[in-house]
Amino acid sequence: GESVGLHLPTLSVQEGDNSIINCAYSNSASDYFIWYKQESGKGPQFIIDIRSNMDKRQGQRVTVLLNKTVKHLSLQIAATQPGDSAVYFCAEKSGGSYIPTFGRGTSLIVHP
Amino acid sequence: NAGVTQTPKFQVLKTGQSMTLQCAQDMNHEYMSWYRQDPGMGLRLIHYSVGAGITDQGEVPNGYNVSRSTTEDFPLRLLSAAPSQTSVYFCASSYGHRREQYFGPGTRLTVT
Repeated sequence: GESVGLHLPTLSVQEGDNSIINCAYSNSASDYFIWYKQESGKGPQFIIDIRSNMDKRQGQRVTVLLNKTVKHLSLQIAATQPGDSAVYFCAEKSGGSYIPTFGRGTSLIVHP
Repeated sequence: NAGVTQTPKFQVLKTGQSMTLQCAQDMNHEYMSWYRQDPGMGLRLIHYSVGAGITDQGEVPNGYNVSRSTTEDFPLRLLSAAPSQTSVYFCASSYGHRREQYFGPGTRLTVT
């Protein structure tokens, strides 16, 4: 399979636990943030996004929190399942750019 | 909708050879982009386009060319392949600059 998880930060959790994946972003002018999930051998898949005028946004089993003061973004996954095992990327986009910039990613491993 | 398609899935080139990676989308997206993904380094933007006839460089454009003659297609050309271009290449598209991107399945390229 893909080796995209090589040398990435890793979070290991038990099935049923809640997972929190963190992301520090660098550009204080960023106004749009996205979380992607990448399973082995596949392209990234959109999970949830948030604009800078919001602090929190909820989806199905996922919540994204944005703290602009400390430039921090987090993805919370409730009741984590083995199918959630993947690499998770945050991406940020500033108002002056057309395309988001991606972070390095975090590998989530869910143990049954 | 097929979404974003990429061909080929796998390719092996010798140093100095040229080739074109194909990308097509059937969602009428204006924005398209090419990324490369190396172990532990996330996704790095090579080139992007905000509409037919408009392209611009990303973070790592050297050694690559693009063109956008139609809304649907955004091919990536490697002019003279080098071992440093061994990577997994992803194409993505989106409705606009503050919308999520849809990724293709990737092309794994090895240059020997």
